[in-house]
Amino acid sequence: AQSVTQPDIHITVSEGASLELRCNYSYGATPYLFWYVQSPGQGLQLLLKYFSGDTLVQGIKGFEAEFKRSQSSFNLRKPSVHWSDAAEYFCAFKAAGNKLTFGGGTRVLVKP
Amino acid sequence: EAGVTQFPSHSVIEKGQTVTLRCDPISGHDNLYWYRRVMGKEIKFLLHFVKESKQDESGMPNNRFLAERTGGTYSTLKVQPAELEDSGVYFCASSRGTNTEAFFGQGTRLTVV
Repeated sequence: AQSVTQPDIHITVSEGASLELRCNYSYGATPYLFWYVQSPGQGLQLLLKYFSGDTLVQGIKGFEAEFKRSQSSFNLRKPSVHWSDAAEYFCAFKAAGNKLTFGGGTRVLVKP
Repeated sequence: EAGVTQFPSHSVIEKGQTVTLRCDPISGHDNLYWYRRVMGKEIKFLLHFVKESKQDESGMPNNRFLAERTGGTYSTLKVQPAELEDSGVYFCASSRGTNTEAFFGQGTRLTVV
């Protein structure tokens, strides 16, 4: 079955520390991969996407993600988090058709 | 350029009542999607419009849900009659093409009591 797994429901990180959010997908081929963020009171905002080519993709707000085919992973990273990065992050993929399949989300708390 | 707008932002209704959610996509976006996130679960696809036509409605949970997009502009999602398990956040998204970025609205939080 096609699915996306985000193993961490909550992550707490200190401001200025690095952040890595894990995402694994289950699909027979390489799908289109996405990371979205939902800040409090906001809609889902696209951080970055991977379609093909360079497996390290840069996104907005200083985020990057690396696609690893061998591990079926698409982990999101940021070298130094800011208090404004406190939000919920969703990994998603698009396979056949146009619908997105989302992971359960990871809520990030930033300590001062 | 205005983003995807959803109305209302919150709705609290009693079980058995009817609720209609509205989504205004970004102007010029032919593709419109509805998603739902119930408490503690993943965001799940409901359906996809291309202009006024339903391209994929495989995620609609049952026949209490009716989505329309008359004229290929805004869309409505009606729940009639609402049940407790319909509570959640309903997201709308739109995109210009089928392989272009989908922009999401802020969502409508529906609470059925």
